[in-house]
Amino acid sequence: NAGVTQTPKFQVLKTGQSMTLQCAQDMNHNSMYWYRQDPGMGLRLIYYSASEGTTDKGEVPNGYNVSRLNKREFSLRLESAAPSQTSVYFCASRTASDSPLHFGNGTRLTVT
Amino acid sequence: QKEVEQDPGPLSVPEGAIVSLNCTYSNSAFQYFMWYRQYSRKGPELLMYTYSSGNKEDGRFTAQVDKSSKYISLFIRDSQPSDSATYLCAMPDRAAGNKLTFGGGTRVLVKP
Repeated sequence: NAGVTQTPKFQVLKTGQSMTLQCAQDMNHNSMYWYRQDPGMGLRLIYYSASEGTTDKGEVPNGYNVSRLNKREFSLRLESAAPSQTSVYFCASRTASDSPLHFGNGTRLTVT
Repeated sequence: QKEVEQDPGPLSVPEGAIVSLNCTYSNSAFQYFMWYRQYSRKGPELLMYTYSSGNKEDGRFTAQVDKSSKYISLFIRDSQPSDSATYLCAMPDRAAGNKLTFGGGTRVLVKP
């Protein structure tokens, strides 16, 4: 049982490059989330998908787009990467709004 | 002012000591509370959650909630080196679809 799987684990980009972070869950969860974690800032919500077919902005959505491809997969895209987007990105999922979140192990992104 | 405040630490204790962690919050809409544990280079994992004021025990872990003071605590008894991790408190906001607000995390180091 893999839980929440994120790819890639590490990535280095140059300013202006684009990339997509992939996330898949095998727990049949309805809701999926993207967070970024920075020192001193904690986990901040970028975008979320409460159910298949819906997406909404979180606390820090600027510079990102998301796609809920199907119930299992939720991707995060950086169209034009900036050094301020250097961070660790976590995908999470849960079955219902009052259920605990299950996290992947993160993607460590550096933008130079 | 952040909605959830948590001392970043690091908190260094000898093996066998009691570890005491806490968070303060300002949003009265927070009605239940979670503690997550995050090992280095891993995603957060749910440790405990509690809905009501008072204490909840699970093995060596005790979660305490004081809603009147907007203050929550996590105690770890008989601490082990394997408890070395970052501990994050998290609170769902029922007025915002139960999206979680995280504290910044407290890093704990248990020395053998």
